[in-house]
Amino acid sequence: DTAVSQTPKYLVTQMGNDKSIKCEQNLGHDTMYWYKQDSKKFLKIMFSYNNKELIINETVPNRFSPKSPDKAHLNLHINSLELGDSAVYFCASSQGSYGQPQHFGDGTRLSIL
Amino acid sequence: SQQGEEDPQALSIQEGENATMNCSYKTSINNLQWYRQNSGRGLVHLILIRSNEREKHSGRLRVTLDTSKKSSSLLITASRAADTASYFCATDGDSSYKLIFGSGTRLLVRP
Repeated sequence: DTAVSQTPKYLVTQMGNDKSIKCEQNLGHDTMYWYKQDSKKFLKIMFSYNNKELIINETVPNRFSPKSPDKAHLNLHINSLELGDSAVYFCASSQGSYGQPQHFGDGTRLSIL
Repeated sequence: SQQGEEDPQALSIQEGENATMNCSYKTSINNLQWYRQNSGRGLVHLILIRSNEREKHSGRLRVTLDTSKKSSSLLITASRAADTASYFCATDGDSSYKLIFGSGTRLLVRP
């Protein structure tokens, strides 16, 4: 009965590869997000989607492409992975906007070799 | 740009003591939230305080907000070892569809 689930939990891959992270929420929320948390624990918004529509793209390189097939899913595809992409990526969801409480997945730890 | 700065960066206390964390932010807000992150886990929402509120309580948590100083504090009373985690403040910043997180305070509660 996990509210926000992400897969995989760990992702270790070589520089230059393409990888995807999947996220699903069963809370019935209409807004979903991707965040990146760096090694210093600083958490930064990457994308937010409302009702499958992209609302926020926080100057993320276009190697990162989110896709929302429906309101319950927001996947993240990353092309041509670089060393600087190593981080923990969190998916989150909320009902509506205006700073509503967000529910987070447990993260995907991406390590680039 | 980072919205919230938290102080202290790290805090170590004995079980039973109170822990106070502070957050400062830069722009006007609609509300401010506090989250907890246990090691290796996602963030968990603790409490939300609206810009027209000055204080809010939830169990052992007490949050204050001073919009004139653009600052907030989180007080955890009678701390427990299970409170060991990182604590983040977050504001809605310049958009209704994103939260901007502070740098976090790492709290260690020693048994």
